[in-house]
Parts: sequence; structure tokens; C-alpha cells
Amino acid sequence: QSALTQPPSASGSPGQSVTISCTGTSSDVGSYNYVSWYQHHPGKAPKLMIYEVNKRPSGVPDRFSGSKSGNTASLTVSGLQAEDEADYYCSSYAGSNSLVFGGGTKLTVL
Amino acid sequence: QVQLLESGTDVKKPGSSVKVSCKGSGGTFSTYVIYWVRQAPGQGLEWMGGVIPNFGTPTYAPKFLGRLTITADGSTSTAYMELTSLRSDDTAVYYCAFGGMTTLDFWGQGTLVTVSS
Repeated sequence: QSALTQPPSASGSPGQSVTISCTGTSSDVGSYNYVSWYQHHPGKAPKLMIYEVNKRPSGVPDRFSGSKSGNTASLTVSGLQAEDEADYYCSSYAGSNSLVFGGGTKLTVL
Repeated sequence: QVQLLESGTDVKKPGSSVKVSCKGSGGTFSTYVIYWVRQAPGQGLEWMGGVIPNFGTPTYAPKFLGRLTITADGSTSTAYMELTSLRSDDTAVYYCAFGGMTTLDFWGQGTLVTVSS
């Protein structure tokens, strides 16, 4: 059960779009449409932003969207805002009631 | 709205054990999966395991097998995470979270556990 692979950093200017990738294997991301994305501001509790690849919980702006192709899932943040600066983690169901997280991506709004 | 309140900061000696509690309110405790996740200093989130209160046995990440016990008390809406044989690399913020089978919808504020001699 290895961690999913995310780029360590991503950045964009206000108003721009940025996409963060999350690469797993055929045992996790590739096998299940159960990819979630979490936003984590240091010192605070993580927040669920996307679940089941592309669904948004109530209250999450539609600037956040998710997709998946094969073993790679992606989170796109459109119309970047200063408050979007945070760490983002993907997770995937990995079978047998287990989950696996990605290593995290630090998103910087320039 | 579900709220989770974790026990406070703890300092432990190597080789000892720690037990962190997580009390839920504002929701029906037994309908959620209870997860434990940790974040070591400068590292990412790490899934440790989960349990559905009053239903089935807990599931643990392979690296914690034999050292981790997750329990839940429905009568007090409280979940517990006990980690034994502590090492310095167990120093981390430990989060509890409630959610569905594949999502962590509500998170606690985190509990810092420091393992140091």
C-alpha cells in the first residue's frame, strides 16, 4: 500500500487555473471511482473538497473540480483566490476497507 | 453539524503507549465510519485505519498492524486510537475523522503526540 504520487508544489496567479495530479495504480485509483481531495491549511483540520472523483460537498465552490483517467486523478482549481493557498491531498479507496493518501501538494497563489 | 473533540497534547517516552480519544457530537455516531489519520512534522497525511461502531472489526494500514487498536464506544459517542511501542517517528498530529466508506467528511482539530526520551 504505497502512497499516491502528487507533485510537491503547484502555483498560479489569482484568477488563473491550476491542476494537481494524483497518480496511483490499478489497485487503487485505477480500480475505483472513490478518489477524494482534501484541502489543508496548516494548523487547521483538513476539509473534504471533492469525493467520488468529481462530486463536491455542499458549500464547496464550483471553482473546484475533479476528474480521473486511468490511474491518475486530477484536481483543478479555477479562478484562483488567495484563500485557495493550502496543501491539497488526494486519497483513494484501495480495497479491503482501506484508504491511501497522496503525499500532498502545496498550492501557492502568486 | 458533526463536531469532533479530541483529547489534548501528549508527550510519551519511547516504548510506551498513547491513547487518544475523539468525542463526536451533532450526528448519529453509529452511522459513520471513524478514521484515524496522522501527519508527522513536515510530512503528508497518512491513513492509519478505521472502524464502523457496533459493526465489524477495525481495518488497519499494514504498517500499523500489531501496534494499533481503534475502538469506538457508542454509548458515549467516543472513538479511541491506541498506539503501542512508540518510537520517535510516531511523533505526529493525530486526527480523527468521521465519514462514509471512502470519504472523511468531518475532522477533529488534531492531537499532537510527541515521543521523546
